[in-house]
Amino acid sequence: AQKITQTQPGMFVQEKEAVTLDCTYDTSDQSYGLFWYKQPSSGEMIFLIYQGSYDEQNATEGRYSLNFQKARKSANLVISASQLGDSAMYFCAMREGIHTGNQFYFGTGTSLTVIP
Amino acid sequence: NAGVTQTPKFRVLKTGQSMTLLCAQDMNHEYMYWYRQDPGMGLRLIHYSVGEGTTAKGEVPDGYNVSRLKKQNFLLGLESAAPSQTSVYFCASSYSFVGEQFFGPGTRLTVL
Repeated sequence: AQKITQTQPGMFVQEKEAVTLDCTYDTSDQSYGLFWYKQPSSGEMIFLIYQGSYDEQNATEGRYSLNFQKARKSANLVISASQLGDSAMYFCAMREGIHTGNQFYFGTGTSLTVIP
Repeated sequence: NAGVTQTPKFRVLKTGQSMTLLCAQDMNHEYMYWYRQDPGMGLRLIHYSVGEGTTAKGEVPDGYNVSRLKKQNFLLGLESAAPSQTSVYFCASSYSFVGEQFFGPGTRLTVL
């Protein structure tokens, strides 16, 4: 089974609109962390946001927020007020805890295109 | 601060050749990681290190070896390269296991 599933290979959003990128995860660990990274066409990986499994509040970082639904095992990224510079690949990732081997898993990514 | 640097940026190998990729970080991070990125598959963890002198296997360790002799450096070795190891290799480091990972610019490796 896939540890991280991103079901949207490509997404389009109008500039200044909000967009949600989906991510579901699979783990039996109680302690884990969820991350989102951005990869522009230049290739570097840029950290966006982190959510710990015990965090009760949804994480927010500027225009980024993480919609964490633990029972559904989903960790969707919401980008508000999209900008042209947001066009990139977005990867959801999970860190599993010591009980499941301290591993990191990335999803296959979602390509976001912001339309002027 | 340079952050995380990787050497070389590009490399072409013939099947059976060996090589070492060097990752260096100047942030005094304990944790370092090697990933590979293939088209349509996202990043996959090869090996990681939780401190100087320690290493651990990731999701896809076969065909690779690593060493962490100094805290700031993490080496990834390919003893006998295979075409299946053609990929983009990323190194990353973090202050803690739960923290943000800082990535290097990547090394594009082609094995013919």
